[in-house]
Amino acid sequence: NAGVMQNPRHLVRRRGQEARLRCSPMKGHSHVYWYRQLPEEGLKFMVYLQKENIIDESGMPKERFSAEFPKEGPSILRIQQVVRGDSAAYFCASSPNRQANQETQYFGPGTRLLVL
Amino acid sequence: KQEVTQIPAALSVPEGENLVLNCSFTDSAIYNLQWFRQDPGKGLTSLLLIQSSQREQTSGRLNASLDKSSGRSTLYIAASQPGDSATYLCAVKAGDMRFGAGTRLTVKP
Repeated sequence: NAGVMQNPRHLVRRRGQEARLRCSPMKGHSHVYWYRQLPEEGLKFMVYLQKENIIDESGMPKERFSAEFPKEGPSILRIQQVVRGDSAAYFCASSPNRQANQETQYFGPGTRLLVL
Repeated sequence: KQEVTQIPAALSVPEGENLVLNCSFTDSAIYNLQWFRQDPGKGLTSLLLIQSSQREQTSGRLNASLDKSSGRSTLYIAASQPGDSATYLCAVKAGDMRFGAGTRLTVKP
């Protein structure tokens, strides 16, 4: 059973371009979480999705950021018109269910975005 | 608003030493607390998960405790090895998951 997969592992964009980050959850997992880790900081929750639904996007910036988890295919975190402050490591995690008190999230290796 | 703090931010110890990493959180209404390890440029590896009803969990040389009422958790590493060098993150779950900034551990041979 492959773990959580993210691609690309490294992404370089110029200011104003779009960044698309992909996350394939573990097999059998229908819940996906995205986190951002700025240099020298802890991970910050961004968004929680189930198949075709956004459940909680309270940590997502209101502009330029969007996320989806279609019925088929990976979850996508999309950042439009990137700025230098978007440079960070973006981690995806997945879990099999939403039993909050028993839930373990399994993390992917992350995508490191660098905005020039 | 839940805030998670980890002390110290960095720790350097000689090989073989026992050590304790600290995590504190402001809101005791949590479902669970989890300790992770992060190696440079890599993702997170879950080490131990403590449910809110539990006081401690053990895995090999690692022991994590949870005192929900005081908002504290400790990760104890016995007989540290150079391979233990990494950043250790604690995270509490209550709704979403909130992470501390981590403790960067270096174990010198």
